[in-house]
Formats: sequence, C-alpha cells, structure tokens
Amino acid sequence: SQQGEEDPQALSIQEGENATMNCSYKTSINNLQWYRQNSGRGLVHLILIRSNEREKHSGRLRVTLDTSKKSSSLLITASRAADTASYFCATGQGAQKLVFGQGTRLTINP
Amino acid sequence: GAGVSQSPSNKVTEKGKDVELRCDPISGHTALYWYRQSLGQGLEFLIYFQGNSAPDKSGLPSDRFSAERTGGSVSTLTIQRTQQEDSAVYLCASSSRTSDWNEQFFGPGTRLTVL
Repeated sequence: SQQGEEDPQALSIQEGENATMNCSYKTSINNLQWYRQNSGRGLVHLILIRSNEREKHSGRLRVTLDTSKKSSSLLITASRAADTASYFCATGQGAQKLVFGQGTRLTINP
Repeated sequence: GAGVSQSPSNKVTEKGKDVELRCDPISGHTALYWYRQSLGQGLEFLIYFQGNSAPDKSGLPSDRFSAERTGGSVSTLTIQRTQQEDSAVYLCASSSRTSDWNEQFFGPGTRLTVL
C-alpha cells in the first residue's frame, strides 16, 4: 500500500507563481524524498530531507518536514513552464524500497 | 553508459504470453529495484536486490512474476502468462553506498501493453 499521499492531486498555476505540494505519511521514517516525473517515464531525484531536519533548500525548491504531523511540503518558487511534471514524495529506510505517494500533477501555464 | 538503461522501451504482447524486461543499472551500484506504475498512479514496489543477499520479493503481485540479477549487474524481470492488468510502466532503479543508498537513479522504464 502507498504510504505517502500527496495533496493536491492536480495543480495548475501561471508561470512565475509559486507552487506548493503537500505529502502525508503514516509510519516513522528516517528520510523523505521528492522526485519529479516527466511524461510518465523515469523519475528524477530532487531533494532528500532527513527526519532530524525541518527545512531544506535547493535552488528554487524548498522542502519542509514536520515529523509530529507526519507531513512534508515542497515549494517551487518562480515557476517555469519546464516545471510542468508529476511530483512524488517517497519515504525510505536506507538501502530499501521507497514507498511512493500517488503524486501531484503540476501544470505551469505560460 | 552514465545512467540506468532499460529495454525494450515499449512492449506490446498478447494475453497469455511471457515477457522479459531488462535493466542495466549504473556501473558499481549494488542495489537494484523494480517498480511498477499503472496509468496515473504512483509507483508500486516489486523487488529489490542488494549485492549477494537474498532479494526482497515482498512486492511481487503473483507467482507469475519473477526476477533475477546475474553477476550482480544486469537484471531481468519476467512475467509469465501475462494478463491485461499487467499493463503498466515497469521502472528499474539503482543506488549505491556513495549516495548513502537513499537516492535512487531511475531508468526510463518499459511500457508494457497486454492486449
């Protein structure tokens, strides 16, 4: 069963706006990751946040983690058309399988 | 090659036939994973190989599914007597100790269509 649940399922915004996606999970984790998927094929790793971290930045990406609420958010600032993709959160325990959410489909309108 | 490769990229087969899907992980990556993604869904874990350890097969949906990894490198996922519900994109990923195992590098996937 899927551990992560992303919210919203779909998001459509104008280019230049910020996009926020949320993820909730059920069990204890040691890290949470966000991946991007273009055109329903291979996934690209975006960022990893560990359970003892609360916030992490990478370029235009900002991830937060609240372990007390078992939730994470991904913020993409100053969105671009190329950011159009599906975004998945995934939880894992080191060298083991990742458990993915259902994903948020993000559309950036020019 | 620099990344994970998979073949074929697309496979159309008739119900009841067997199919083999291949994955070439990044050189030196000892951990290899297979996932399945049905249309519009998230990824579903199938099987995981780590070095010479026994694989974690807990995600295989039925005994029609099997996978092997020869020589600690290339992996083949075999689906016997395919059914229409097996239609999905099958994704392979690999990881290594240098990335603390956590970051998984994905291949482009094989889109399987069972008619």
